[in-house]
Amino acid sequence: NAGVTQTPKFQVLKTGQSMTLQCAQDMNHNSMYWYRQDPGMGLRLIYYSASEGTTDKGEVPNGYNVSRLNKREFSLRLESAAPSQTSVYFCASMARDRGNYEQYFGPGTRLTVT
Amino acid sequence: AQRVTQPEKLLSVFKGAPVELKCNYSYSGSPELFWYVQYSRQRLQLLLRHISRESIKGFTADLNKGETSFHLKKPFAQEEDSAMYYCALRMDSSYKLIFGSGTRLLVRP
Repeated sequence: NAGVTQTPKFQVLKTGQSMTLQCAQDMNHNSMYWYRQDPGMGLRLIYYSASEGTTDKGEVPNGYNVSRLNKREFSLRLESAAPSQTSVYFCASMARDRGNYEQYFGPGTRLTVT
Repeated sequence: AQRVTQPEKLLSVFKGAPVELKCNYSYSGSPELFWYVQYSRQRLQLLLRHISRESIKGFTADLNKGETSFHLKKPFAQEEDSAMYYCALRMDSSYKLIFGSGTRLLVRP
């Protein structure tokens, strides 16, 4: 039981390049989330998927797109990377059933945009 | 707008001293509050939630609706408590968490 996995662990992009961050969970959770973590800003929600087939914007969605490929997988795409997107990205999942609102986090992807 | 405020970016204490990490929230409904912790080189994980009313690793937190606070306390800090701590709020009927900006706790020997 790996929990929440993310790939890649590290990535360096040039301004304007695109990439997709992958996230998968093996806990049969309904909801999945993408956050970015910046010093002094805490975790800010980029996009989330309350259930398979739905996605919604979070606090800072500009410059990103997401796909809930199936119940297990939730990817985050940067179409044209900008230096302001340099950050650590975390994926999380939540069961959401029987009142269980604990979120489980992946190990993070450290992205640098030059 | 709903928000979570952690006023201290860094809290430095000596081993054995009491610790209180402050968390205030703004939400007029029925909140659910959490503390998450991130140890060095580890992923973020749940430390405790107010509805459980339990003590984890010696930490406790009480929801004070009058003061809209959920401060995290430990009577005697240990070096292994050094980590980043995030307070988070879940609003009623929401699947999202709102996180504070985090407090780094440094426990010195």
